[in-house]
Amino acid sequence: DAKTTQPTSMDCAEGRAANLPCNHSTISGNEYVYWYRQIHSQGPQYIIHGLKNNETNEMASLIITEDRKSSTLILPHATLRDTAVYYCIVSGALNYGGSQGNLIFGKGTKLSVKP
Amino acid sequence: KAGVTQTPRYLIKTRGQQVTLSCSPISGHRSVSWYQQTPGQGLQFLFEYFSETQRNKGNFPGRFSGRQFSNSRSEMNVSTLELGDSALYLCASSLLGVSNEQFFGPGTRLTVL
Repeated sequence: DAKTTQPTSMDCAEGRAANLPCNHSTISGNEYVYWYRQIHSQGPQYIIHGLKNNETNEMASLIITEDRKSSTLILPHATLRDTAVYYCIVSGALNYGGSQGNLIFGKGTKLSVKP
Repeated sequence: KAGVTQTPRYLIKTRGQQVTLSCSPISGHRSVSWYQQTPGQGLQFLFEYFSETQRNKGNFPGRFSGRQFSNSRSEMNVSTLELGDSALYLCASSLLGVSNEQFFGPGTRLTVL
């Protein structure tokens, strides 16, 4: 089972910031938080990941609470093309040659960006 | 750099047949993972290959198998197809398999009649 809890759906006005919350209260010390999104009928797209510090890239920002039990993905200026299902995933850190490589997807949050 | 490619994109088979799907990872990526996506079960992990070895396996029956070649390309095979195998099959690659920053292909849509 997925280790995260996300709202089923959210709406956001075009041009405004989209803030997608995720609860992961059982996260352990060596687990990262990953965010992916899936636009209809396409493969999932990696967005960002982090361990405990806030992270930012060209797509989004990831804010992780100090206790690491929750996080928020921020799309600073949402566009219609950001309409997608957003998945928050908790996954263990890997060592070279380790036995991971799988992602456990939950239901995600369906974000609808409206004009 | 070219992304992950999957062939074929669409496939129609009948019950009892077998099928082979192909995945070419991003150049230099050595880890390839396979996922099944259905409306009812969502995205589920099938298996992962790294340097031609299966490292991790999800909870699927033995009818689902895979392999990876020395150039990191991977194939998955489903034998004795069932109606419930109709799904989008996604392949994802990552550089060393040490991070779950995975890059997904467009998927193969399999329909079993």
